[in-house]
Amino acid sequence: GAGVSQSPSNKVTEKGKDVELRCDPISGHTALYWYRQSLGQGLEFLIYFQGNSAPDKSGLPSDRFSAERTGGSVSTLTIQRTQQEDSAVYLCASSLSGSGYEQYFGPGTRLTVT
Amino acid sequence: KQEVTQIPAALSVPEGENLVLNCSFTDSAIYNLQWFRQDPGKGLTSLLLIQSSQREQTSGRLNASLDKSSGRSTLYIAASQPGDSATYLCAVGAGNMLTFGGGTRLMVKP
Repeated sequence: GAGVSQSPSNKVTEKGKDVELRCDPISGHTALYWYRQSLGQGLEFLIYFQGNSAPDKSGLPSDRFSAERTGGSVSTLTIQRTQQEDSAVYLCASSLSGSGYEQYFGPGTRLTVT
Repeated sequence: KQEVTQIPAALSVPEGENLVLNCSFTDSAIYNLQWFRQDPGKGLTSLLLIQSSQREQTSGRLNASLDKSSGRSTLYIAASQPGDSATYLCAVGAGNMLTFGGGTRLMVKP
């Protein structure tokens, strides 16, 4: 079956602009995760959605970052007023259920802020 | 705060060698550990998942072990091939997230 998909694959934006990154999880997976991979910080957790529960936003680095998950499926990560330090690869993952299940990752969105 | 360390950071071996990648973590209160492979410019491919109650998992030429009490895991790759060249990432699961190590960059030379 289809894996996790993300769009766009690459995004170049000017400092100060807002960007939206999209993630389509594997069908039937109730848990969805966003991570960020940057040269200086490695791979870091950002946010977790599980079913209809309140999301775990503990990894979001600032209030410029927000995420939604509509209808328990597609998720959008929004970064407002982008800064150069936001440049990174943003990875989405999904799992069959919550904590303890194997996570499957998408190909990522490479964000470059100029 | 959980910290995950992978040693070595980089490894270059001739084709055919057996090799071991190491992962250590500071907090043993985990529910699982996952090994991933990442090719340049690509996402993560899950290789093996070990639940906290398990000692090891095997898939083909790969074998991963877990010693939760000592905070260690190893990934054993048998008879390495040039196609195994990639970055290998260890991640421990606790709470609602995976915490990743910095990775081991593996090069297998023909």
